[in-house]
Parts: sequence; C-alpha cells; structure tokens
Amino acid sequence: EPEVTQTPSHQVTQMGQEVILRCVPISNHLYFYWYRQILGQKVEFLVSFYNNEISEKSEIFDDQFSVERPDGSNFTLKIRSTKLEDSAMYFCASSEARTAPQHFGDGTRLSIL
Amino acid sequence: AQTVTQSQPEMSVQEAETVTLSCTYDTSESDYYLFWYKQPPSRQMILVIRQEAYKQQNATENRFSVNFQKAAKSFSLKISDSQLGDAAMYFCAYRSVYAGGTSYGKLTFGQGTILTVHP
Repeated sequence: EPEVTQTPSHQVTQMGQEVILRCVPISNHLYFYWYRQILGQKVEFLVSFYNNEISEKSEIFDDQFSVERPDGSNFTLKIRSTKLEDSAMYFCASSEARTAPQHFGDGTRLSIL
Repeated sequence: AQTVTQSQPEMSVQEAETVTLSCTYDTSESDYYLFWYKQPPSRQMILVIRQEAYKQQNATENRFSVNFQKAAKSFSLKISDSQLGDAAMYFCAYRSVYAGGTSYGKLTFGQGTILTVHP
C-alpha cells in the first residue's frame, strides 16, 4: 500500500539554525499538510498546500516557516531560524481530494538544542 | 473555531474485552467529518474509522465502531475483542466539509487517549 514517507526520522539542530523537513506524499495525492505534536500535547495543524500554493495556515505558521513542493514529488517544511519551542514531532499528510482521508507519514522528531 | 475534547487521558482494557473511548466536539457547522486515528509507539498516525455527520448510521470497521450523537456533539469509539496490537494513543479529529473560510481540509485533533491492553 502506498505510504507517505518522511526524512529524516530524527533531526537535531542548534537553535537559530535553519532546518528542512522532507516528505514524499503518495503519488496521486493533490493535497498536502504539515502538523506538529509537541511532546505530551495534541497534534496541531500548521499548513495545507494545494495547486502549488498555501491554502490555509495556522497562527503557528509564522514568517519563520515556509513550505515548498520543489520537484513534483517532495513536499518540504523549512524553519528558517529555529527556536527551542520548535522542538516537536512534525507530521506530513496527504490526501487525493480535499474531503478524502488524510494519510500520515511516520513523522520527524525535531530536537532544538 | 472548532474544538475537540477527549476527557480520558488514559484507558485500559483486558485482552478480548470491550472498551469505549470518549470524544466531544464543538462546532457551529451542520456538516462535517469525524475521525479516529491510532498512533502506536511506531509513531505513524493510522486512520481507524471515519464518520460523515450527515449520515445517521454509525460507522463500523471490523472490531471498531462509533457511537455518533450529533445533537450531543459526541463521537465515541468502541473497540470490541481488544487485542494487544490495539495498544496505542487514539486521537479524535474533526474536519469541515466546506472549502474556504478557516477550515480548508485541516484536521482539528483532541488531546488523545492512551489505551493500554492487558494480556
């Protein structure tokens, strides 16, 4: 069964550094999402992406964050200058239609030192 | 804005027994989707079951079923014949049906319930 894949599984970065989290959505899916889960807290929506543009973003998704689909297969989340509070599990999800179920990747655990 | 509440941080069940996980939500919308996702220690979020609000019939998927009470804004998950592999964090989630506004397909999650299955 096709899967959403995320790399790396764990990223350790110094505060203030830029980090790029990578996702390969399921190939025929058109809608892409990033969520994050701070340890012990609920999963929170960050951003949705469709037709090569952001369709919705949350208050968390400020100017430090950006998303890109650079080559038609990858979907990336960039954090420009990381803060300690960015430490979390980041999940990528995709769906073939806006109302279709979202399929999640295994997540990337981001640790900011 | 929609909110989802799971009031049980932890639940436990004996293998082969039945357990019910609770979820309530708040919305002013009349049509929407509700989901239960499972997150085992392997971390991947796995869709367990989906309910469309305009359907009165409760969704079922093998040993998993829901009790959807639209007026009460309640959406509980029943797991029958619990197995060791059911041990996981379970998240209830809400999604709007309509595009535009502030809910273009995003999922709003509850806090999660950790389910332990005892042999």
